Amino acid sequence: DADVTQTPRNRITKTGKRIMLECSQTKGHDRMYWYRQDPGLGLRLIYYSFDVKDINKGEISDGYSVSRQAQAKFSLSLESAIPNQTALYFCATSDPQGDGYTFGSGTRLTVV
Amino acid sequence: AQSVSQHNHHVILSEAASLELGCNYSYGGTVNLFWYVQYPGQHLQLLLKYFSGDPLVKGIKGFEAEFIKSKFSFNLRKPSVQWSDTAEYFCAVTETSYDKVIFGPGTSLSVIP
Repeated sequence: DADVTQTPRNRITKTGKRIMLECSQTKGHDRMYWYRQDPGLGLRLIYYSFDVKDINKGEISDGYSVSRQAQAKFSLSLESAIPNQTALYFCATSDPQGDGYTFGSGTRLTVV
Repeated sequence: AQSVSQHNHHVILSEAASLELGCNYSYGGTVNLFWYVQYPGQHLQLLLKYFSGDPLVKGIKGFEAEFIKSKFSFNLRKPSVQWSDTAEYFCAVTETSYDKVIFGPGTSLSVIP
């Protein structure tokens, strides 16, 4: 099994719909992150969490919300999806030493 | 705000050519530096990292990177590329006191057989 699992792998949704992307990890890490990847822009941080009770906004949090249900689970929600949220979304975890990230396989989201 | 720039958006090389991908960051304090690789259709994987010590860092698959503090640079190199190195490469930086990683925009490498 993968260390970081994202579901779904692909999703097409309509403008205005609420959608949740899920992430679970078996690394035992406290720190979890959500990034979106767009061509030519690299990865941009949406939200991050350093433990279950800690949630922080990243550089592009508008239009998104998160829930840290447990140490191993960190979900990203789009309350009302819009087409410019079409992107590849990655979840990642890291250890306290910041020894690099472990990424999930990504969720490709298309908003039509 | 901290930022990371990468010199080239897209690089095309023939097999056996040498590779150097440029990366510069803007933060003036102590940093940890990373290079990640993303093969087509896959997630990002750590290629190498620099925390401290020898500024020349060796990673997997024959890649290496050199940290030059005075230039705020962390360039990635490989003496002889292979077709299988075709991928997107991301430079990333984090402040040592704060594990929030900032990624560069990426460089797409295409290696022609």
